[in-house]
Amino acid sequence: EPEVTQTPSHQVTQMGQEVILRCVPISNHLYFYWYRQILGQKVEFLVSFYNNEISEKSEIFDDQFSVERPDGSNFTLKIRSTKLEDSAMYFCASSEEGIQYFGAGTRLSVL
Amino acid sequence: AQSVSQHNHHVILSEAASLELGCNYSYGGTVNLFWYVQYPGQHLQLLLKYFSGDPLVKGIKGFEAEFIKSKFSFNLRKPSVQWSDTAEYFCAVTTGAGNNRKLIWGLGTSLAVNP
Repeated sequence: EPEVTQTPSHQVTQMGQEVILRCVPISNHLYFYWYRQILGQKVEFLVSFYNNEISEKSEIFDDQFSVERPDGSNFTLKIRSTKLEDSAMYFCASSEEGIQYFGAGTRLSVL
Repeated sequence: AQSVSQHNHHVILSEAASLELGCNYSYGGTVNLFWYVQYPGQHLQLLLKYFSGDPLVKGIKGFEAEFIKSKFSFNLRKPSVQWSDTAEYFCAVTTGAGNNRKLIWGLGTSLAVNP
């Protein structure tokens, strides 16, 4: 069964550093998403992406965040200058017919 | 603002016990409703969904959920749980029409089933 894959599974970084979280969505899916879950809190929507552009973004998704589909298969989330409060589990999803399929997540730890 | 509430944050059951996890949402318009499960060390998986039609939906592994529009609820049930049902369960909704809608999540319920 096709899966969404995310790398790395765990990323440790220093505050102020840039990180790129990578996702390979299911190949025939057209809609892509990033969510995050801070420990003990709800899963929060960050951004959705369709047809090579952002279709919706949350208040969390400020200028420090960007997304890209650089090569037709990968879907990346970049955080330009990480803050302590960016520490969270980041989930990528792709969807078909209204159902979102998730990767295993990347745990980002900002020190 | 649209939100999803899950009433039980931690549930401990013995095998063969019945399960009901509550989920309520706040939105007066069209909704699609989902239950996702995350087994230890695994990714989020869809258990079941409601888009339209019969409000009683059946999912994988013997789970079912009932959409009660008047109560804004979508409770998850299983008549007899197994140790392998130990997992985190998330209720989520999308609002409005169209396929590219963000999921709004509940806090999740951690279920531990004792053998």
